[in-house]
Amino acid sequence: KQEVTQIPAALSVPEGENLVLNCSFTDSAIYNLQWFRQDPGKGLTSLLLIQSSQREQTSGRLNASLDKSSGRSTLYIAASQPGDSATYLCAVSNNAGNMLTFGGGTRLMVKP
Amino acid sequence: GAVVSQHPSWVICKSGTSVKIECRSLDFQATTMFWYRQFPKQSLMLMATSNEGSKATYEQGVEKDKFLINHASLTLSTLTVTSAHPEDSSFYICSAREDRGYYEQYFGPGTRLTVT
Repeated sequence: KQEVTQIPAALSVPEGENLVLNCSFTDSAIYNLQWFRQDPGKGLTSLLLIQSSQREQTSGRLNASLDKSSGRSTLYIAASQPGDSATYLCAVSNNAGNMLTFGGGTRLMVKP
Repeated sequence: GAVVSQHPSWVICKSGTSVKIECRSLDFQATTMFWYRQFPKQSLMLMATSNEGSKATYEQGVEKDKFLINHASLTLSTLTVTSAHPEDSSFYICSAREDRGYYEQYFGPGTRLTVT
């Protein structure tokens, strides 16, 4: 059974810092991996999707990498802003179009 | 594009009553939709996979007679919480999977259910 772990569980940084969020998964036979953002009491916003054949994806200040063989992904946020404060979730799918298994999330607080 | 809506966004009901939550893919077809629940400060846990025109597949520990799922069209799935109890109070989120391309899942905004 796939298990997804995110470290750290919570993170507080001053505005402007570059930061890295980590995600690990136990079964490397994944189809894709997604990073989401969730604001309190809200649904999920998809940030980046990485196919198993890809190594990284970039969107603005966000960069996600994938090392499938080691079961790891990182989300890099450059020049963090208070508006980046949210919970970040990573999730993996083991088959095309199959269910997502979520990590526990990292609660990020960026202080002005 | 790829917008998923949920209705209602929040609902309060009394113990013993039933509540229906709708999940719609607004601009794409979704043969498959997923229902998740999320307790405060916890991650999402899959409850069931909803397949258009067939019975839903429930995860272990989820009572199918309590959480009724109907996926009657390619753009609509409903979750009915029957005989609701206070412990059913949670945040319910659906996702709809595109039937093409990378099969990406798009999530609805969630429904906050409070059972009194």
